[in-house]
Amino acid sequence: DAKTTQPPSMDCAEGRAANLPCNHSTISGNEYVYWYRQIHSQGPQYIIHGLKNNETNEMASLIITEDRKSSTLILPHATLRDTAVYYCSRAGNMLTFGGGTRLMVKP
Amino acid sequence: DAGITQSPRHKVTETGTPVTLRCHQTENHRYMYWYRQDPGHGLRLIHYSYGVKDTDKGEVSDGYSVSRSKTEDFLLTLESATSSQTSVYFCAIRSVQGALKEQQYFGPGTRLTVT
Repeated sequence: DAKTTQPPSMDCAEGRAANLPCNHSTISGNEYVYWYRQIHSQGPQYIIHGLKNNETNEMASLIITEDRKSSTLILPHATLRDTAVYYCSRAGNMLTFGGGTRLMVKP
Repeated sequence: DAGITQSPRHKVTETGTPVTLRCHQTENHRYMYWYRQDPGHGLRLIHYSYGVKDTDKGEVSDGYSVSRSKTEDFLLTLESATSSQTSVYFCAIRSVQGALKEQQYFGPGTRLTVT
């Protein structure tokens, strides 16, 4: 049973919104949803997290469904520098990751 | 960044030798994690710690041990390295300051090659 499920790859046009989905149907009530991204072989970079309310920061917005079984990371105006692998994770004490989505932002 | 450093950054070792990787943080965060990353497998949790001398196993703990004798250091040991442990190892920290202030950061990684 995968902890989180994400599409392996997505494309997005530069300047458009990128919407990255994640399924976490077995998430527990006390587990947060976290999103990270990884560029090349660097360490993953924290983007945003939430429990059940939608969240927004300077990098992105996070939409969590009411039943908490899925979420969507939104990059409102994708740039070429947003090309990366995006990981959705669920976290109580342990941080566990799915396979990630490779987002390609194209000119 | 949270002042996370990993050492060494690169290491080549022979099968059967012991190897210890170090993760050091400067901000007294309670939770520390060790992950490995391999092509096709993403990030997999090896062990984690929720305080000094408090550790637990993750998804892929076989062949690894950890120790945390002080808040700032979390050590990962391969008692007898095998070629299957060739990987990039990432340390992460997590501060639990409340739902909105919680922060999590990853270190720069250690590339380990077992020949």
